[in-house]
Amino acid sequence: DAGVIQSPRHEVTEMGQEVTLRCKPISGHDYLFWYRQTMMRGLELLIYFNNNVPIDDSGMPEDRFSAKMPNASFSTLKIQPSEPRDSAVYFCASSWDGSSYEQYFGPGTRLTVT
Amino acid sequence: QKEVEQNSGPLSVPEGAIASLNCTYSDRVSQSFFWYRQYSGKSPELIMSIYSNGDKEDGRFTAQLNKASQYVSLLIRDSQPSDSATYLCAVNGADTGFQKLVFGTGTRLLVSP
Repeated sequence: DAGVIQSPRHEVTEMGQEVTLRCKPISGHDYLFWYRQTMMRGLELLIYFNNNVPIDDSGMPEDRFSAKMPNASFSTLKIQPSEPRDSAVYFCASSWDGSSYEQYFGPGTRLTVT
Repeated sequence: QKEVEQNSGPLSVPEGAIASLNCTYSDRVSQSFFWYRQYSGKSPELIMSIYSNGDKEDGRFTAQLNKASQYVSLLIRDSQPSDSATYLCAVNGADTGFQKLVFGTGTRLLVSP
């Protein structure tokens, strides 16, 4: 089975532009997680969904960040407007209720905001 | 604030030696403990899960859990240069149904030929 799919793999944008990151979880997984990884702060959970419903968005840094999951096979993380401090690698991960909380990560999107 | 602590390293071991990676956590209610391996420029890859006190072995990897001491470790036997990576410890907690994982900052392992 295909793993978690993310696109784009790399994104370079200018400050102030809107950025949209995309994720397709593993088929059958009902939990989806968005993480951000930087050298300074490590791997941080931004938000997670269960059955397409946001459960915990306490890690979303500010109102410039938003996430949606319109169906079981697709989620987006949007940053508007983007700032240089948003430069990081953004990972999507998924799990399912019977997986004993094991999460499987996608390849990530490396975002650079200039 | 739930915390997971790891020594950042690097931990340097010669090829064929045992590498020992350690992790402590603050949330006494944690139930599930994971080790992820992350190669430079890649995503975290799950290599071990452990849920009860004691040892769990999988090939060259052994995870050890001591809930009383809030301590989890990963032993890598017969270390290979291909094991050189950052190893992340992750722990769940009672927040929002135990699905949420808190990650340590990782220990960088270097295995020299």
